[in-house]
Amino acid sequence: DTAVSQTPKYLVTQMGNDKSIKCEQNLGHDTMYWYKQDSKKFLKIMFSYNNKELIINETVPNRFSPKSPDKAHLNLHINSLELGDSAVYFCASSQGDVGGNSPLHFGNGTRLTVT
Amino acid sequence: AQSVTQLGSHVSVSEGALVLLRCNYSSSVPPYLFWYVQYPNQGLQLLLKYTSAATLVKGINGFEAEFKKSETSFHLTKPSAHMSDAAEYFCAVRVTGGGNKLTFGTGTQLKVEL
Repeated sequence: DTAVSQTPKYLVTQMGNDKSIKCEQNLGHDTMYWYKQDSKKFLKIMFSYNNKELIINETVPNRFSPKSPDKAHLNLHINSLELGDSAVYFCASSQGDVGGNSPLHFGNGTRLTVT
Repeated sequence: AQSVTQLGSHVSVSEGALVLLRCNYSSSVPPYLFWYVQYPNQGLQLLLKYTSAATLVKGINGFEAEFKKSETSFHLTKPSAHMSDAAEYFCAVRVTGGGNKLTFGTGTQLKVEL
């Protein structure tokens, strides 16, 4: 029973293409996130949604657009892909909104390679 | 704004030796602190968390961490390293009112040698 699942696991595409990554959690959490991990393993938050409402948008280019159809799903759509978008993208979820000590539960990541 | 600093991007220990991974935080308000572990090609897994209930926190796989406010530290330790502990370890901080944002350190790669 996978708690946070992302698809696809690997994504190889060419510059200029548009791609989506899907994320689903079955933990009943009300907050979901997208993090980007670069080649040096640095993790940076991109977006956070609480009950389908955007609460964190960390200076991410407009080419990235998250969509949360319900609180169990948070998808990431990327337009006009660039070489610098190559990274591992992690979806995560947690219980609780602003602040709090509830830990994040992470998916296994989507490795995006832009050629 | 809150932040964490992990000293040492790479740490190497012998199997059976003490593991010490360092983390210092910066926060103007009481923080929540976490340690996560990442095995190759996997997501992050929670090791332990500090929530002010106790300064010494025990986690999974024999790891523990001690919150020291005077030193603004939250170092991770394990008395005896095992080969299976080889992984990337991340310290993270979250503060109340921070939009639920978890801010990670740059990570420490732990290598365990025979």
